Amino acid sequence: GAVVSQHPSWVICKSGTSVKIECRSLDFQATTMFWYRQFPKQSLMLMATSNEGSKATYEQGVEKDKFLINHASLTLSTLTVTSAHPEDSSFYICSASLQGARDTQYFGPGTRLTVL
Amino acid sequence: AQSVAQPEDQVNVAEGNPLTVKCTYSVSGNPYLFWYVQYPNRGLQFLLKYITGDNLVKGSYGFEAEFNKSQTSFHLKKPSALVSDSALYFCAVRDLSSNTGKLIFGQGTTLQVKP
Repeated sequence: GAVVSQHPSWVICKSGTSVKIECRSLDFQATTMFWYRQFPKQSLMLMATSNEGSKATYEQGVEKDKFLINHASLTLSTLTVTSAHPEDSSFYICSASLQGARDTQYFGPGTRLTVL
Repeated sequence: AQSVAQPEDQVNVAEGNPLTVKCTYSVSGNPYLFWYVQYPNRGLQFLLKYITGDNLVKGSYGFEAEFNKSQTSFHLKKPSALVSDSALYFCAVRDLSSNTGKLIFGQGTTLQVKP
């Protein structure tokens, strides 16, 4: 149980284009989903927290117009990197939890984004 | 401010020997503590958590962790290391100032188990 998937697992795009990453909880309903960014050999940096049916809460320094998050259902959240640039190249990981405050976060396998 | 520290960037262990990956925390209130493992180019896998109760927590793949309140530590242990345990390990604590369940992660410790 508690499986989270991400699609795509990797993507290469040209600078200036937009990329959408999907995060799905496969066997449970996730009231809260989280989006992280990870640079090589570094820890995870939380970008935003999203709750189903409401606007995402972004961490300080994360551009909400750049990284659009939609949590349209209890099993799906999407992250869209708009007008991507090479500095947006990174490993993006999502996680999902059932009840947020006390529950364990279960992580997706990650998406490797490379912007040329 | 709440924080988590993993004082070792890398831990090297011979296969079959016991392993310890260290974690200390600083929170105001009762901590919710987690250990995750990450294999190359993969997401994080949940190993175990401490919320309340017994200080010794048993988790996946033979790992366990001991919550020590007086030392504010939550070290990850395994009695006999396997080469396949080689990976990046993260300790995390729930951010109690948030009601969303945010996690604060340590910087990660690379475990290298040699045959």
